[in-house]
Amino acid sequence: VQLVESGGDLVQPGRSLRLSCTASGFRFGDYGMGWVRQAPGKGLEWVAFIETKAYRETTDYAASVRGRLSISRDDSRAIVYLEMNSLKSDDTAMYYCTRIRRQCGGVCSFYYFDYWGQGTLITVSS
Amino acid sequence: DIQMTQSPSTLSASIGDRVTITCRASQSISAWLAWYQQKPGKAPKLLIYKASILESGVPSRFSGSGSGTEFTLTIASLQPDDFATYYCQQYNSYSPPLFTFGPGTRVDIK
Repeated sequence: VQLVESGGDLVQPGRSLRLSCTASGFRFGDYGMGWVRQAPGKGLEWVAFIETKAYRETTDYAASVRGRLSISRDDSRAIVYLEMNSLKSDDTAMYYCTRIRRQCGGVCSFYYFDYWGQGTLITVSS
Repeated sequence: DIQMTQSPSTLSASIGDRVTITCRASQSISAWLAWYQQKPGKAPKLLIYKASILESGVPSRFSGSGSGTEFTLTIASLQPDDFATYYCQQYNSYSPPLFTFGPGTRVDIK
């Protein structure tokens, strides 16, 4: 399993950016995918999640980014994207692409991050 | 919101020590908890899921236990490779946010 992020950059506040994560080594369409970020010297913060096509590609976002970030996926190319708009200084962080594994019985009760990319750095500053 | 806390925030230990890190949830999360290890400048790595199941390839000196609101990660005999920061993570489909990490516990050399 390999996840390779790209697109990180130094951007001015208010601008937009798109991150990409190219996956390999597994059946991409069978897994939910997510983005987790880490501000410099801080802990981990989940930001976005997208389910598989079988689960209607349902998405969800952390409250801190909802309305500004949008996650999408292209199963034919095994890529997950994170479109980021109206960037703020608080968005400065390393952004990790993650594969998400489910624990399911009758329903899927637990999701967690089983593989992580190496991260791509976004710095929002004027 | 479900809040996650970890204690201690920093732990100083020696090679061979038994180390225990505690993670608490503000409400019951059954056994829906994972633990990760992160070394400086590296991505986190999954250690344990569903509170006590060791991820494939993770050394058996790591173990997890707990359910409900209190969980522990134990390193039976600390090795040089184990100096890192450890995070717990819960998943909750009933109220946002979907995923919450604990603030982390840094394990450093005494």
